[in-house]
Amino acid sequence: KNEVEQSPQNLTAQEGEFITINCSYSVGISALHWLQQHPGGGIVSLFMLSSGKKKHGRLIATINIQEKHSSLHITASHPRDSAVYICAVGNSGGSNYKLTFGKGTLLTVNP
Amino acid sequence: EAGVAQSPRYKIIEKRQSVAFWCNPISGHATLYWYQQILGQGPKLLIQFQNNGVVDDSQLPKDRFSAERLKGVDSTLKIQPAKLEDSAVYLCASSKTSGPNYEQYFGPGTRLTVT
Repeated sequence: KNEVEQSPQNLTAQEGEFITINCSYSVGISALHWLQQHPGGGIVSLFMLSSGKKKHGRLIATINIQEKHSSLHITASHPRDSAVYICAVGNSGGSNYKLTFGKGTLLTVNP
Repeated sequence: EAGVAQSPRYKIIEKRQSVAFWCNPISGHATLYWYQQILGQGPKLLIQFQNNGVVDDSQLPKDRFSAERLKGVDSTLKIQPAKLEDSAVYLCASSKTSGPNYEQYFGPGTRLTVT
């Protein structure tokens, strides 16, 4: 079993829909990260959170430490949101902080 | 501020050949990461440098992969000899230092195809 599980693997939505991507993890973590990867490889960090909820524009990320679960929500989705969304958990070992990534969720938003 | 630079962007080689990738991190970033991302998977850490020292290379296949960051700035990752299963995107990332409060900035990646 992978340390980080994402669902769904693929998601197709119509423009304007509310999107939810889920991430579950099986180990203790220092923080959880959500990242976005567009075709061609570029990865951009969206959120880093260790508790509660964060919001940036139309994106909202929540985390429940007790349940080892996080969600990424996109409100009023737009075709430009089409990308792979990756959940990663961070652990500190000594002076070294290391990320373990999920496989990603491919989101396609149709106009 | 210039981002993380990588070259080449694409490389096609035959199995058993050698290949090298180059990464120039964001200026002033002490921590540099090399990741391997196989199609349909998330990135997997190969090696992490803090300045010019290795802090984690536990998932680096050391019989064929090597990496260096001699002056604590740019870095090279080498594969010798390559296998078919090495086909992947190799991502370089950097951060100011190692820790949960320090964002990792990713380069565009090098897509390697081994035939």
